[in-house]
Amino acid sequence: DTGVSQDPRHKITKRGQNVTFRCDPISEHNRLYWYRQTLGQGPEFLTYFQNEAQLEKSRLLSDRFSAERPKGSFSTLEIQRTEQGDSAMYLCASTSVSSYNEQFFGPGTRLTVL
Amino acid sequence: KNEVEQSPQNLTAQEGEFITINCSYSVGISALHWLQQHPGGGIVSLFMLSSGKKKHGRLIATINIQEKHSSLHITASHPRDSAVYICAVSVQGAQKLVFGQGTRLTINP
Repeated sequence: DTGVSQDPRHKITKRGQNVTFRCDPISEHNRLYWYRQTLGQGPEFLTYFQNEAQLEKSRLLSDRFSAERPKGSFSTLEIQRTEQGDSAMYLCASTSVSSYNEQFFGPGTRLTVL
Repeated sequence: KNEVEQSPQNLTAQEGEFITINCSYSVGISALHWLQQHPGGGIVSLFMLSSGKKKHGRLIATINIQEKHSSLHITASHPRDSAVYICAVSVQGAQKLVFGQGTRLTINP
């Protein structure tokens, strides 16, 4: 399967715990995006990488959130000291100029904070 | 006011009906995307367009740049078309997508 993959698909955690999600983009894609989607809403932009450089972060991304893409391939999104309001679907997407910037989405990681 | 607004938010129709979902936006864009999201979360890109009209099977997407408006049409709708349809725009000068809130479509047999 050469699509975008995300791991885990589901995560249940207790408030105050740290969680880390992983995204593996399509291999030739140099741009990678993280979005968050709460129930009944459209996704919201969190952050974006071009290769290993994090080029834009949303104001939604508080100090408790950090994202990395160390070798310009897979990316991780970490949430520290989780809060109930962090419960959402976390979506990853990738694209490249050669795909005319059409974004290809992963299946998402659904986070539930108890 | 959201930068991308969709209507209706919910739509229920009978199999075979012609479906229209509308999207209006208030920012400068380089492209508009129509996406489909099934229960479970996966998002699939249906169309990316910057002008005119595109057709794929029973789906048609149109955009009017001057009016900042796009429509997604489904002809001969089928229960398997039931999903959430999301309009998103590539903001001019930026790389991110800005999304509408989605339209939940239910097609009854």
